[in-house]
Amino acid sequence: GQQLNQSPQSMFIQEGEDVSMNCTSSSIFNTWLWYKQDPGEGPVLLIALYKAGELTSNGRLTAQFGITRKDSFLNISASIPSDVGIYFCAGTPSGANSKLTFGKGITLSVRP
Amino acid sequence: SAVISQKPSRDICQRGTSLTIQCQVDSQVTMMFWYRQQPGQSLTLIATANQGSEATYESGFVIDKFPISRPNLTFSTLTVSNMSPEDSSIYLCSVDKASGSDEQFFGPGTRLTVL
Repeated sequence: GQQLNQSPQSMFIQEGEDVSMNCTSSSIFNTWLWYKQDPGEGPVLLIALYKAGELTSNGRLTAQFGITRKDSFLNISASIPSDVGIYFCAGTPSGANSKLTFGKGITLSVRP
Repeated sequence: SAVISQKPSRDICQRGTSLTIQCQVDSQVTMMFWYRQQPGQSLTLIATANQGSEATYESGFVIDKFPISRPNLTFSTLTVSNMSPEDSSIYLCSVDKASGSDEQFFGPGTRLTVL
């Protein structure tokens, strides 16, 4: 089945820094979603993207739907300690009856 | 967004037993889903809970192991049957934002440990 690739598995940044995360696939996706999961909680939807080239912001977060429809990135600007968590990309592959597919996630640590 | 609750929030069970997890939504939703998240891993879809008909299971998951109920548009249950330590995971229910939307909202999860 279609897979979403997220790497590295972990990222460590200093408070105040910007960070960018990428998500790629070998297949075309119709939708890209970015979720954040805090310890002991379910994933929370951050940003949803529906059109190739679309750039969407949510506060300090910005995400883009790649032109090729095979990738997406999420930027976090001016990081703060509460940005710590696991960031998952997810998407719906092109094709009938496609189900939401999740990447393996990136664990973000923010040093104060 | 919909408010989703799950019961229990966590449990420790003996192998060979079964556990039923409940998912309640504060509004009627079209689609409800059940996911498994093994320790340190991503989310894997178990099945789609269909109201008024049998659940639709993904490859690798079967009804005998994970029976699902969906008696109405706000409630679903997932049972983990004849548990083994390999079933230790977080089990999450989710709902679609709106009919036809790819966006899903997730419950807080049920943390299951099987001894």
